[in-house]
Amino acid sequence: EAGVAQSPRYKIIEKRQSVAFWCNPISGHATLYWYQQILGQGPKLLIQFQNNGVVDDSQLPKDRFSAERLKGVDSTLKIQPAKLEDSAVYLCASTFKTGFGGYTFGSGTRLTVV
Amino acid sequence: QKEVEQNSGPLSVPEGAIASLNCTYSDRGSQSFFWYRQYSGKSPELIMFIYSNGDKEDGRFTAQLNKASQYVSLLIRDSQPSDSATYLCAVNWGNTPLVFGKGTRLSVIA
Repeated sequence: EAGVAQSPRYKIIEKRQSVAFWCNPISGHATLYWYQQILGQGPKLLIQFQNNGVVDDSQLPKDRFSAERLKGVDSTLKIQPAKLEDSAVYLCASTFKTGFGGYTFGSGTRLTVV
Repeated sequence: QKEVEQNSGPLSVPEGAIASLNCTYSDRGSQSFFWYRQYSGKSPELIMFIYSNGDKEDGRFTAQLNKASQYVSLLIRDSQPSDSATYLCAVNWGNTPLVFGKGTRLSVIA
């Protein structure tokens, strides 16, 4: 089966600019997650979708981050405006069943904010 | 607040030795425990999961869970240089998303 697709792989932007990341999960996986991984740390959850509905966005900085999953398949994560501390790898993951922690991760997007 | 703690390492072991990676978690209500391997510059990949107290073996890997002590470990037997990576411990409570530790960096010396 095809894996989780993410794009772009790398992005460099200046602070206060906006950026968007795209994710296409494994076909049939209803649950999709966005995690942020800062260098030297473990992934930290930003948002969880079940189909096209938000299940958990308690850790999403909503003043600057937004995410959507229209039609319950692809998802986009946006940051506007970016701050230096947003420099991280943004990982998208999907799983076939909510509650099962065996996630398949995409290759990630490495964001550098200068 | 639910937390997962790991020693960041690096843990250095000689080739052929047993590598022991440890993880503790903050909440007794946790149910499922996962170990992911992450090579430098790559995304995490699932190695093993364990739900019940005791040991679970898969090839050279053994996961050990002790819920009373809130402790989960991963043993890698016959360690190879290709096992050199960061190992992430992750826990979920019911249907909640995984909470990850910071990871332990393992270095297997040839």
